[in-house]
Amino acid sequence: AQSVTQLDSQVPVFEEAPVELRCNYSSSVSVYLFWYVQYPNQGLQLLLKYLSGSTLVKGINGFEAEFNKSQTSFHLRKPSVHISDTAEYFCAVSDLNSGNTPLVFGKGTRLSVIA
Amino acid sequence: ETGVTQTPRHLVMGMTNKKSLKCEQHLGHNAMYWYKQSAKKPLELMFVYNFKEQTENNSVPSRFSPECPNSSHLFLHLHTLQPEDSALYLCASSPHGAATYNEQFFGPGTRLTVL
Repeated sequence: AQSVTQLDSQVPVFEEAPVELRCNYSSSVSVYLFWYVQYPNQGLQLLLKYLSGSTLVKGINGFEAEFNKSQTSFHLRKPSVHISDTAEYFCAVSDLNSGNTPLVFGKGTRLSVIA
Repeated sequence: ETGVTQTPRHLVMGMTNKKSLKCEQHLGHNAMYWYKQSAKKPLELMFVYNFKEQTENNSVPSRFSPECPNSSHLFLHLHTLQPEDSALYLCASSPHGAATYNEQFFGPGTRLTVL
């Protein structure tokens, strides 16, 4: 079965600094990859997704992620963070080889932006 | 606001109570999901309804009983819960059925506390 590892449970970063949130998934031939964000007291919201094509995916709020098949990674980046980016970020994967399998989520990374 | 609403937002219940969580989506989607979100654990998929048919039941205890009367509404009936069932329960929906490439739209969740 597919699994997702988010290596960092918490990432503190100063405002306007760059950030990278790491995500690795267990090996598979074909996957769809997603990053979701959860602001306090809210549900999850899609930031971006990779289905096919260019390995660099741009999302909302200035975030982007790069699909690296050889390293089975899908790290999320932002060149300059804002206080409003403070939230929990979840990486998720769908394994196409398992039929209509729903998303498998990582444990999440809490991003704290410090003024 | 994602178009998915959940009521109540907070619920405290005893182990002998019976209660229900409600989810409603106004997006015209035809797949709906229940997730359990506990601290320090990955998001756990509980149930999937695809075109009103239950297609996934991830070994959820029978004290949780889902109901999907139509494609816009989803309920989670609760009875004789345990304290370890305390968590945030999230509802989600997706267009075009429960396909693996679909974005899921999440509600804000119901924070459940079992005493």
